[in-house]
Amino acid sequence: AQKITQTQPGMFVQEKEAVTLDCTYDTSDPSYGLFWYKQPSSGEMIFLIYQGSYDQQNATEGRYSLNFQKARKSANLVISASQLGDSAMYFCATRFITGANSKLTFGKGITLSVRP
Amino acid sequence: DVKVTQSSRYLVKRTGEKVFLECVQDMDHENMFWYRQDPGLGLRLIYFSYDVKMKEKGDIPEGYSVSREKKERFSLILESASTNQTSMYLCASSPTTGRMSTEAFFGQGTRLTVV
Repeated sequence: AQKITQTQPGMFVQEKEAVTLDCTYDTSDPSYGLFWYKQPSSGEMIFLIYQGSYDQQNATEGRYSLNFQKARKSANLVISASQLGDSAMYFCATRFITGANSKLTFGKGITLSVRP
Repeated sequence: DVKVTQSSRYLVKRTGEKVFLECVQDMDHENMFWYRQDPGLGLRLIYFSYDVKMKEKGDIPEGYSVSREKKERFSLILESASTNQTSMYLCASSPTTGRMSTEAFFGQGTRLTVV
């Protein structure tokens, strides 16, 4: 079975600094996608960034970038210039092909707190 | 914009009741998912459906069933609610697997309390 691991229990960062949120995954499938979602205290799930397993370059979306190390099976999210509004729970997710279907699996999440 | 709507934001049910959680999406997505979210455990997949009347078990299907009679609607059923099913339930949808890069879109969640 596929497994997503987010081991950092909680992270703190000073406003305007960068922070890295870790994610590792375990799969034998050659084709998969990696996603990061943000969940603020309001509870909505907000998609942030996507990385495909065959993508040659690391994905970037504004202040978000993904440090993708395929051989190590890691897909860490980097948030640059942190803002107070970045305080939230962050989830790493992977999408694998299982037969004809695509199962989306999430990690346990990491809580990020941005200090003023 | 894609919209995924869950029928209730908050729900309180009694132990032993049969509970229906409804989810509707308006973007003709093939895939739909039900997750439960508990503190420290993240989102755990209960069931997912990749087409009308098609379903697959997720990681924690015990005590749950699902129904997908129409493409836009995916129902989660608790056959006999128990207190350990008190949780936040999240529904999501996404297009077909041929578009791996497309993210899943989530509903606002249903906080279910079983007393």
